[in-house]
Amino acid sequence: DAGITQSPRHKVTETGTPVTLRCHQTENHRYMYWYRQDPGHGLRLIHYSYGVKDTDKGEVSDGYSVSRSKTEDFLLTLESATSSQTSVYFCAISESGAGGSPLHFGNGTRLTVT
Amino acid sequence: EDQVTQSPEALRLQEGESSSLNCSYTVSGLRGLFWYRQDPGKGPEFLFTLYSAGEEKEKERLKATLTKKESFLHITAPKPEDSATYLCAVQGGAGNNRKLIWGLGTSLAVNP
Repeated sequence: DAGITQSPRHKVTETGTPVTLRCHQTENHRYMYWYRQDPGHGLRLIHYSYGVKDTDKGEVSDGYSVSRSKTEDFLLTLESATSSQTSVYFCAISESGAGGSPLHFGNGTRLTVT
Repeated sequence: EDQVTQSPEALRLQEGESSSLNCSYTVSGLRGLFWYRQDPGKGPEFLFTLYSAGEEKEKERLKATLTKKESFLHITAPKPEDSATYLCAVQGGAGNNRKLIWGLGTSLAVNP
């Protein structure tokens, strides 16, 4: 494992409630990412961070916000959860933003919004 | 439009029966093609990065190759523990563009 811990591993929540997912890394990598994985869509980038307090949107960022106050932690918040946000969420890290730098993934959080 | 297509969607092999998985791509300015393995309930695990046509990389029973339009993941004499979903992703664009385009994966089952 690449030293990436996601919490919680499973969560069930109700529509309209806020939810925060946490990603913690011990690799001191600069780049961190949040993806969601859904059948028929593959992996889609939600947000990413290229340093403490430096974040940017991915392709499916609506309804999500992120924060990174320390190198090791990257938080994903669903401000008001909807059923369409039921998914498996993966955090990933990479050492560099240069081309060809591979991503290393955590084991995911399975989120169900009822 | 940048695109990645993996085939077949699913593949069932007998132990020892070699085969290949395909990843076809269109991207502006390839900066890297990645292969990952994903087991049920786990995150994708990095296998290989390929950068240019003609490049090959090997790891145990896996060998990845790259042309200008596609990549193959060859599996030689597979074992049941090779059963997993194999994902392909490409990175294109200039500068520090982190845009990765992912395929939907090939689900491989190897029967003993």
